[in-house]
Amino acid sequence: KNEVEQSPQNLTAQEGEFITINCSYSVGISALHWLQQHPGGGIVSLFMLSSGKKKHGRLIATINIQEKHSSLHITASHPRDSAVYICAVSPSDKLIFGTGTRLQVFP
Amino acid sequence: GAVVSQHPSRVICKSGTSVKIECRSLDFQATTMFWYRQFPKQSLMLMATSNEGSKATYEQGVEKDKFLINHASLTLSTLTVTSAHPEDSSFYICSARYRAGNTIYFGEGSWLTVV
Repeated sequence: KNEVEQSPQNLTAQEGEFITINCSYSVGISALHWLQQHPGGGIVSLFMLSSGKKKHGRLIATINIQEKHSSLHITASHPRDSAVYICAVSPSDKLIFGTGTRLQVFP
Repeated sequence: GAVVSQHPSRVICKSGTSVKIECRSLDFQATTMFWYRQFPKQSLMLMATSNEGSKATYEQGVEKDKFLINHASLTLSTLTVTSAHPEDSSFYICSARYRAGNTIYFGEGSWLTVV
């Protein structure tokens, strides 16, 4: 079993839909990261969380440390949100990555 | 905001040659940089942790003589793929940890094709 599990693996949505991506982990962590990877490969760090909730524009990330679970929400999704979203946790200096959720938003 | 620059973004090299990829932190000092590789539709895999002024720490299964990492300054780490083989064709990406916290910034990545 992977230390970081993401669901779903693939997600298709219509423009405007509310999207949720889930991440569960099995190790103790100091922080959890949500990353966005576009088809060209580049990675953008969306959030770093150690507790509670963060919001940036249409993106919201939450974490429940006791349950070892985090969610990434996208409100009013748009085709430009199409990307792979990766959850990564920091038990130490290193990151452990989930396998990613491939999101496609259609107009 | 902080920027990590990686160069080149794409490189094609012949089998048996060596290729160097650079990772620079442009507006902050990075005591630690990380190198990853990613095969198509797979997760990022940590190759090594690069600490300024000391030897890199390689993950199990990564050949340190094949993937040479140098972190000569607080703003530059390099990955050299030696005696490149078509199996080394992959996406390589670096990240840098900002000195004063847990914030990690990623480079744009480098696509390596060995022919």
